[in-house]
Amino acid sequence: SYELTQPPSVSVSPGQTARITCSGDALPKQYAYWYQQKPGQAPVLVIYKDSERPSGIPERFSGSSSGTTVTLTISGVQAEDEADYYCQSADSSGTWVVFGGGTKLTVL
Amino acid sequence: QVQLVQSGAEVKKPGASVKVSCKASGYTFTSYYMHWVRQAPGQGLEWMGIINPSGGSTSYAQKFQGRVTMTRDTSTSTVYMELSSLRSEDTAVYYCARHPDSNYVAWDNWFDPWGQGTLVTVSS
Repeated sequence: SYELTQPPSVSVSPGQTARITCSGDALPKQYAYWYQQKPGQAPVLVIYKDSERPSGIPERFSGSSSGTTVTLTISGVQAEDEADYYCQSADSSGTWVVFGGGTKLTVL
Repeated sequence: QVQLVQSGAEVKKPGASVKVSCKASGYTFTSYYMHWVRQAPGQGLEWMGIINPSGGSTSYAQKFQGRVTMTRDTSTSTVYMELSSLRSEDTAVYYCARHPDSNYVAWDNWFDPWGQGTLVTVSS
């Protein structure tokens, strides 16, 4: 089976930049997506197709891709950004829909 | 605006079945595929499968083959997910989530928006 690897936790102070990585062998071939999930709430899409931002998502959220790693960057982190973040993609054939294990972002 | 409203929490005994509903509004129901994703307590997200509301065709994750059935009712713009032979490991929040692109491509799945989730508890 195919896996996406994320760090379990990332901590930043308000106003700083948070970077959350997601690694997987098929990421050069498949798009990556990022979801934000706050406690007790459903996930919300924050980045699609590696680097596109849905309408309504603040500009401080951005995505990038380099080889087998994709990165979610949150510039000027705010307290309200504290949440779990999940990357999602597929294996090289597109057969398996896979989520990363999630990264808990703590705003100090 | 697009809304997905799911049915309420369920408590089931091991071996039983559960059927969760997801009522869509704010868009043309038959134009967008619908996914189901689950999340066990304190755990990550797990994709279960997808249904085409137009023709009713489905595709299930291998893990759930033989235990899950996804159906739809176009008259009420509702999709259903039924999971059978429940065990304690199936205790989770179950989400429906729309595929955002009306031009569905089977190897590029993603989810937006999501329903509010339905907690299914399996306990004797």
